[in-house]
Amino acid sequence: DVKVTQSSRYLVKRTGEKVFLECVQDMDHENMFWYRQDPGLGLRLIYFSYDVKMKEKGDIPEGYSVSREKKERFSLILESASTNQTSMYLCASSFQGMEYNEQFFGPGTRLTVL
Amino acid sequence: QKEVEQDPGPLSVPEGAIVSLNCTYSNSAFQYFMWYRQYSRKGPELLMYTYSSGNKEDGRFTAQVDKSSKYISLFIRDSQPSDSATYLCAIPTNTGNQFYFGTGTSLTVIP
Repeated sequence: DVKVTQSSRYLVKRTGEKVFLECVQDMDHENMFWYRQDPGLGLRLIYFSYDVKMKEKGDIPEGYSVSREKKERFSLILESASTNQTSMYLCASSFQGMEYNEQFFGPGTRLTVL
Repeated sequence: QKEVEQDPGPLSVPEGAIVSLNCTYSNSAFQYFMWYRQYSRKGPELLMYTYSSGNKEDGRFTAQVDKSSKYISLFIRDSQPSDSATYLCAIPTNTGNQFYFGTGTSLTVIP
């Protein structure tokens, strides 16, 4: 059974804190993604990684960075958390090479920044 | 113009109703069309996908693509309370690696 796991389901942080969100997949997928999901705005891509140590900015990368040191792990970092980063964060992974590559999602981390 | 636009809902229907969920898209070159279902407090999961035009049926679910009008639909027959979820349409980009997602339609099926 395919699996994408995220380190926390719920997280509460204070403004200015550094926040790490971890994602691990066990499917040997090349691609990994970080999205945030907000009511009325849908899923918005923050960063995408297509290989170890490789990354591409998505639609809303400002205020975020990522790290992919191992194929199975993709981390999202909020360098200095702000209240407008309160959101649901979803990690996903997929293979490469097909005309469509199904993305498998983790359960999400609901982050609240106070 | 967004690449994919989706009716936002929310939609509330009685059990047994036929549900129609819809998206429009802008690029006539798109070939694959996908529907994800997201239950509350969970991540989205792929429900169905179709290639090019036409219909695809899977049990009570039918995905339909009309390429001439750039319109995609998901029909749910005999809707059940367990169908209550948010449904997102998704279209792969030309590389297949990234998706354009609709904003999602929240559906509640009332027993």
